[in-house]
Amino acid sequence: SQWGEENLQALSIQEGEDVTMNCSYKTYTTVVHWYRQDSGRGPALIILIRSNEREKRSGRLRATLDTSSQSSSLSITAAQCEDTAVYFCATSEGADRLTFGKGTQLIIQP
Amino acid sequence: EAGVTQSPRYAVLQEGQAVSFWCDPISGHDTLYWYQQPRDQGPQLLVYFRDEAVIDNSQLPSDRFSAVRPKGTNSTLKIQSAKQGDTATYLCASSFSGGSYEQYFGPGTRLTVL
Repeated sequence: SQWGEENLQALSIQEGEDVTMNCSYKTYTTVVHWYRQDSGRGPALIILIRSNEREKRSGRLRATLDTSSQSSSLSITAAQCEDTAVYFCATSEGADRLTFGKGTQLIIQP
Repeated sequence: EAGVTQSPRYAVLQEGQAVSFWCDPISGHDTLYWYQQPRDQGPQLLVYFRDEAVIDNSQLPSDRFSAVRPKGTNSTLKIQSAKQGDTATYLCASSFSGGSYEQYFGPGTRLTVL
């Protein structure tokens, strides 16, 4: 689970497996953003879930949000090698001022 | 449509030297952000602008860092007298305040201070 003072976490799985990354946050948020960052590039938004949603899907991605426990998860179904990246969750009170977690380095082994 | 562009992509300095980073946001985006991303950490907001106005620079080390966006388009982030602790990637992002919550990031400038 990302956030807090931990360094970047690493997770390695085999191609075709499912994976879930967790995020717990400490401050009030109206939106949880999930970004992925490929090596040498800036982060890119992959899925966004609002505080009035419990689940959001986009292709092989599924995000959940539990505002009572201040936690979110990102699941990838049937991971592929091209899913290898660093995944960040970020919170915001509106459209501005994103606060990023420490991130999860996901490695998909062929 | 062109994305956010940044230059230079890399910079290597000795402590005490100055450096400037330049950002060209996506056309039509009124909000521009500068983030600092230390190695193996998430991006941390330094400052952001709405048009030419600074909205929040509370995380900008004001004694050595400065940022401007004079015409509400391009922006420059400058570090005076760099320190080893400034070693990080500096990311620029932009968004449109009347649109979605998405911020679009540039590729970043990787700074190494020796």
